[in-house]
Amino acid sequence: EDQVTQSPEALRLQEGESSSLNCSYTVSGLRGLFWYRQDPGKGPEFLFTLYSAGEEKEKERLKATLTKKESFLHITAPKPEDSATYLCAVQAYAGGTSYGKLTFGQGTILTVHP
Amino acid sequence: GAGVSQTPSNKVTEKGKYVELRCDPISGHTALYWYRQSLGQGPEFLIYFQGTGAADDSGLPNDRFFAVRPEGSVSTLKIQRTERGDSAVYLCASSRGGADETQYFGPGTRLLVL
Repeated sequence: EDQVTQSPEALRLQEGESSSLNCSYTVSGLRGLFWYRQDPGKGPEFLFTLYSAGEEKEKERLKATLTKKESFLHITAPKPEDSATYLCAVQAYAGGTSYGKLTFGQGTILTVHP
Repeated sequence: GAGVSQTPSNKVTEKGKYVELRCDPISGHTALYWYRQSLGQGPEFLIYFQGTGAADDSGLPNDRFFAVRPEGSVSTLKIQRTERGDSAVYLCASSRGGADETQYFGPGTRLLVL
């Protein structure tokens, strides 16, 4: 069974204080690892997809990296508007057929204070 | 362009009642997914449609839950004999086609069963 664990559960930062969020996963065959941002009362908003170990992607103050066992979301010089819940999810891939469903972690609640 | 829309945004019902939740995917997206999110948790997969057919319904918790997508566009999630434990946010997502594509989420329907 695919599993995703995110840490920490909650993270409080001062504006400008860089940090990282962790996503550990076990999956039969990784098709892709996804990062989403979710604001209160809204649906998840897509950020990145990573497909293979060593891959990195960046968007503004965010950079996502991937190893064979975990992914990190690095936040550089965060601003209060980066406050949100960050969700990690995996999509399995086996026998030439990818499975549509995403398996999510529980999320990390990020709060950035001015 | 328009994103995924879901109606109603909120639904309050009594235990034992029947409810229908509607999802309008992004125009042209052939794949559609339903997830359920409880407070403080990540989304949990329910069912995945490719066109009109359910490609994977392994996440439906029991036979009180049923979903349809008769014309390959709009989908309806139906819950019979609702229970208090069904209270959650029901999220819909769509992707362009095939199981590999990025899933874009709607704002969700917040269901409260009294």
